[in-house]
Amino acid sequence: DAKTTQPPSMDCAEGRAANLPCNHSTISGNEYVYWYRQIHSQGPQYIIHGLKNNETNEMASLIITEDRKSSTLILPHATLRDTAVYYCISHNQGGKLIFGQGTELSVKP
Amino acid sequence: EAGVVQSPRYKIIEKKQPVAFWCNPISGHNTLYWYLQNLGQGPELLIRYENEEAVDDSQLPKDRFSAERLKGVDSTLKIQPAELGDSAVYLCASSPGPTGADTQYFGPGTRLTVL
Repeated sequence: DAKTTQPPSMDCAEGRAANLPCNHSTISGNEYVYWYRQIHSQGPQYIIHGLKNNETNEMASLIITEDRKSSTLILPHATLRDTAVYYCISHNQGGKLIFGQGTELSVKP
Repeated sequence: EAGVVQSPRYKIIEKKQPVAFWCNPISGHNTLYWYLQNLGQGPELLIRYENEEAVDDSQLPKDRFSAERLKGVDSTLKIQPAELGDSAVYLCASSPGPTGADTQYFGPGTRLTVL
């Protein structure tokens, strides 16, 4: 699985959109981009994944660049409960997830 | 739909003692994973099962760690004897299978403290 790079931390004001970037410049054609988050003292929670096209679900939107070398997770209206570590993972479905350090998102009132 | 269930949630033992963790995956999920998460780090895979078969146990320290999934449903991870460095969170995850939609869903984890 390709390696991903994320900023170690970000702040976001409550009610505003949180845009979390991820670089995966060595991603291969059959690897998906997955996003998980981990709230303190809980297990990782699946958010969204995509291959080429942008994706949206009830939790977030995923924007993948045309060359697939980077992506952005968007939480449209961040709340205090969105404070967590967000992991971006490139994964070819099947097998282990390789977690990096993630981005620690702090949503502030 | 019930998620991945793990027990116990917390365990405190003295070094050299044995310990076991239990996981019940989401119903119908054939693939089960055990991950280890050290403080401040992302989870790392210990072992992956496809039904009853351990298909990837390359990261499992086999001198003291063992795992089983006898009927292809729930699973047990054991450490014997435990060492101080084993203090961590042990996470279980499951997914429908190795092909197609392979999103992994995690349980809450078991936090182990070895004194």
